[in-house]
Amino acid sequence: ETGVTQTPRHLVMGMTNKKSLKCEQHLGHNAMYWYKQSAKKPLELMFVYSLEERVENNSVPSRFSPECPNSSHLFLHLHTLQPEDSALYLCASSRGDSLQETQYFGPGTRLLVL
Amino acid sequence: RKEVEQDPGPFNVPEGATVAFNCTYSNSASQSFFWYRQDCRKEPKLLMSVYSSGNEDGRFTAQLNRASQYISLLIRDSKLSDSATYLCVVTTSGTYKYIFGTGTRLKVLA
Repeated sequence: ETGVTQTPRHLVMGMTNKKSLKCEQHLGHNAMYWYKQSAKKPLELMFVYSLEERVENNSVPSRFSPECPNSSHLFLHLHTLQPEDSALYLCASSRGDSLQETQYFGPGTRLLVL
Repeated sequence: RKEVEQDPGPFNVPEGATVAFNCTYSNSASQSFFWYRQDCRKEPKLLMSVYSSGNEDGRFTAQLNRASQYISLLIRDSKLSDSATYLCVVTTSGTYKYIFGTGTRLKVLA
């Protein structure tokens, strides 16, 4: 296993709900990432945190709100989502934020928005 | 033009065959290159980094051609367990981004 865990693994929510995705890494890494993977599309980087500071926000709508309380935990808060937001949301971590660092992925949260 | 392009496949090959995938990238300033493997309904996992001089790991060989802006992955003696989607990843200096291709699906048939 990669040492990156995500909960919940599956989530169904209505467009008016508020929910949060949780990611935890047990690897002692300093950088954490959120990605979105939709069917037949490449993984899309959403957010990058390095040493708990957000360093990249890849033009993500404000209905997605990340939170990184410490270097081991990363949250993605969801509110008033749209059906097109249904996708697999993957968390990843790396030792540092250098481009040469390997990113290790969690198993993902499969989200369905009704 | 997409930043990273891959033939989606599927590539259907018999066990024991040799198969190769290419991945082209559009940004000549791209810095680092990786191949990840993603099994159905699972997370991507690093298969190998791609070095300028080419590198090999068992049955897998990765090559980088900067002049033509592509990387390749060669799998020799294919196993049933090699069936997966292979994702090409490119990074560019000045950003934190891993840019993923859509992946090439491989099916190794008994």
